[in-house]
Amino acid sequence: DAKTTQPPSMDCAEGRAANLPCNHSTISGNEYVYWYRQIHSQGPQYIIHGLKNNETNEMASLIITEDRKSSTLILPHATLRDTAVYYCIVVGMIKAAGNKLTFGGGTRVLVKP
Amino acid sequence: DSGVTQTPKHLITATGQRVTLRCSPRSGDLSVYWYQQSLDQGLQFLIQYYNGEERAKGNILERFSAQQFPDLHSELNLSSLELGDSALYFCASSPLGGPEAFFGQGTRLTVV
Repeated sequence: DAKTTQPPSMDCAEGRAANLPCNHSTISGNEYVYWYRQIHSQGPQYIIHGLKNNETNEMASLIITEDRKSSTLILPHATLRDTAVYYCIVVGMIKAAGNKLTFGGGTRVLVKP
Repeated sequence: DSGVTQTPKHLITATGQRVTLRCSPRSGDLSVYWYQQSLDQGLQFLIQYYNGEERAKGNILERFSAQQFPDLHSELNLSSLELGDSALYFCASSPLGGPEAFFGQGTRLTVV
């Protein structure tokens, strides 16, 4: 699975959009981009994933560049409860039995009032 | 609540001892994964079971072993414990064909 690079930390104002970048320049054609977050030593929580197209769900939006070498996770209206470590993970073809996840260092996001 | 249950939540034990961590996956999920999170290593994949069979293995030490039972619950056995085994141990499960994994709240193991 391709490696990812994320900034180690970022701050965000409550109520504003948080844009979290991720670089995955060695991603190959059949690899997906997943985002998880971990709130203060709780179990990681799945946020969203995508292959080529932009994706949106109730938690966030995922924007993947056309060359797929980078992506941005957007939290549209950050709240204090969004303070967490956010992990961008590249995973190969989705298997029926599921896929192991290789976590990097993630981005520590602090939402400030 | 992810639906994945891990017990115990906290465990304190001495070096050289053996412990068993238990995981009940979400109802219907056939895959179970174990991850270790320590301060210096981050979140590391240990092992995956699918419907009772070992499916993938990560950097799991020989002193560690796991199994998945017919009722799909899983146990992670850690033996000859060392101070460096102190960590959070997470279990996750995923549905058939589903891309996302659901994590439990973890077991915090402290080896003294």
